[in-house]
Amino acid sequence: GAVVSQHPSRVICKSGTSVKIECRSLDFQATTMFWYRQFPKQSLMLMATSNEGSKATYEQGVEKDKFLINHASLTLSTLTVTSAHPEDSSFYICSATPGGLNTEAFFGQGTRLTVV
Amino acid sequence: AQSVSQHNHHVILSEAASLELGCNYSYGGTVNLFWYVQYPGQHLQLLLKYFSGDPLVKGIKGFEAEFIKSKFSFNLRKPSVQWSDTAEYFCAVNGKNSGYALNFGKGTSLLVTP
Repeated sequence: GAVVSQHPSRVICKSGTSVKIECRSLDFQATTMFWYRQFPKQSLMLMATSNEGSKATYEQGVEKDKFLINHASLTLSTLTVTSAHPEDSSFYICSATPGGLNTEAFFGQGTRLTVV
Repeated sequence: AQSVSQHNHHVILSEAASLELGCNYSYGGTVNLFWYVQYPGQHLQLLLKYFSGDPLVKGIKGFEAEFIKSKFSFNLRKPSVQWSDTAEYFCAVNGKNSGYALNFGKGTSLLVTP
């Protein structure tokens, strides 16, 4: 299957700082990438959908100024958590898809963010 | 509104027991259906998927699922579970109406005891 690489896998940052998470599709061009958040013992919640070269579409309740998403190329999307606070601590997961009908999404390994 | 409902939140089975995890969805339009597994400390892995055709889908590790359109269901089954099947299982749905973003159920935690 296709490979999606997410980096870093773990990050600890101080409250008030910003953290950037990268999501790369290694062997295919991802027209669309998705960012999810997973709280402990809970399901994945879609945060935003990003299409290459255009602004991300955020789900209701997700602050676009806090979670900056950039999808500058067909193989890279980044999520920047700005001015992080302890409540932003979570597991962030990206997925990428070549797009179109009947295509599956491929998931990155996830990033465990801890804000102290 | 789009939603995915998994009925069993926690399931405990003995090895060799049969497994069935329920999944129902509410979605407008044509759907694609998925089951993912997340082993402890690992990332999501695709177990199986349904796009069209035969509603009985076979996946990896002996899992299968049946799409019953009239019941809006996509239940996951395995005839005989193993200890290594202990994991979190997620049903997910997507389609054109959601921009193909996956909508996940809350997950089912499966514990298989020796």
